[in-house]
Order: sequence, then structure tokens, then C-alpha cells
Amino acid sequence: DIQMTQSPASLSASLEEIVTITCQASQDIGNWLAWYQQKPGKSPQLLIYGATSLADGVPSRFSGSRSGTQYSLKISRLQVEDIGIYYCQQASSAPDTFGAGTKLELK
Amino acid sequence: EVQLQESGPGLVKPSQSLSLTCSVTGYSITSNYWGWIRKFPGNKMEWMGYISYSGSTSYNPSLKSRISITRDTSKNQFFLQLNSVTTEDTATYYCARYYPGAGYYYFDYWGQGVMVTVSS
Repeated sequence: DIQMTQSPASLSASLEEIVTITCQASQDIGNWLAWYQQKPGKSPQLLIYGATSLADGVPSRFSGSRSGTQYSLKISRLQVEDIGIYYCQQASSAPDTFGAGTKLELK
Repeated sequence: EVQLQESGPGLVKPSQSLSLTCSVTGYSITSNYWGWIRKFPGNKMEWMGYISYSGSTSYNPSLKSRISITRDTSKNQFFLQLNSVTTEDTATYYCARYYPGAGYYYFDYWGQGVMVTVSS
């Protein structure tokens, strides 16, 4: 199985701050990467697919990028409603695998 | 709008089978792919498998001997059965649409999740 190493495990940031979360794939997955946000008590919501494409309805302060086998999710100006757990997921090779999650809190 | 809703027992005894239903509205399950994902206490997420528009299935090899995903197209529902459960199967179970958008697969619509505890 492809391993997705996600970091950091937890992150405390201030409002309006820039936040970056990364996932390192254990092998080449191309752009077969998605990012999800899970707010407390809610189901996961798709943010980014194809490594860089913004899902419908997702604020433009979210963006995804790729450098080789490292993938990043950036929140340009942190808002209160961005608090939650973020996951990456690769769909390049079955079984799909998820990163361990990043818990984002307000400082 | 596509909506999914899981249903099933919240408590299952060890060695028994876990059975969940995902009811879909706003979209036919005879299109695209439909999957099950679970989230364990401690936040680990696991892709369990999917059923396709044609009824073919794909399962996580870690579960292959215990899992079955089926469907009832007349009711627009698909189902998860997990046999011989142990306490390690305690998790929140989600159904979701597995969508091939722009050539990439991802889960774009999710149910609200159902928490299942395995305990005697």
C-alpha cells in the first residue's frame, strides 16, 4: 500500500495567519491526491482534488500544490470556520490511503 | 442535490456481522462509484471498498475475506456487510460517492456517518 505521511499532526494558528499542511507519498502518485476538511461533528468535505483543483463552493483561500511526491494544502488567511481535521487521500493505486490527519486549532 | 444517509445498528457483538445501509437521493447509484470509508477513534481513516455503476466491487485487501458491498438499484441503496467483527472494528462508518472528476477519483458527497461499537 502507498503510505501517506502527513504533517504536522496538530497545528495551532492565529486568525488571518497562513497555514500549510503537507503530505509525503511513499511513491509516485501523480496528481491523484485529494484534501478533505472535517469539522467537529460533521462528515468530511472535499476541498481539493487532482492535487491542485479547488472543489465547488470551497473558498479561494484554500489551495493545493505539488512538488514531486510532496503535496501541500495552504490556507492563505485562517478563519474561525477553518478549524477541524484535515486529511490527504491518494487514489493512484488501490487501496486508496489517507494521511493520519492534521488537527488545526486556533491560537 | 446528492444526499447519502447511513443506517444500521450502533452496537454489534464480537464475532457477529456488521450490516449498514446507505440510502442515496438525488442521484442514481447506477452511475459512478459508491464507497465505504471508516474513521477509527484517534482519527485514522480507512478506505474499505466500493461498488461500481455496473455492480462490480473493489475491496481493501486488509478486509477482503470479511467484507461485502452489494446494492439494490430499485431502492437506490447500497450495503456494507463486515463479518467476524472484533473490537478493532469500532469506528464511525461513512458512505460516499466516489467520483471520477477531471480524470481523478475522489469522494465528493458523504453521508453523516454512523458510529458502530463492537462490544459484548
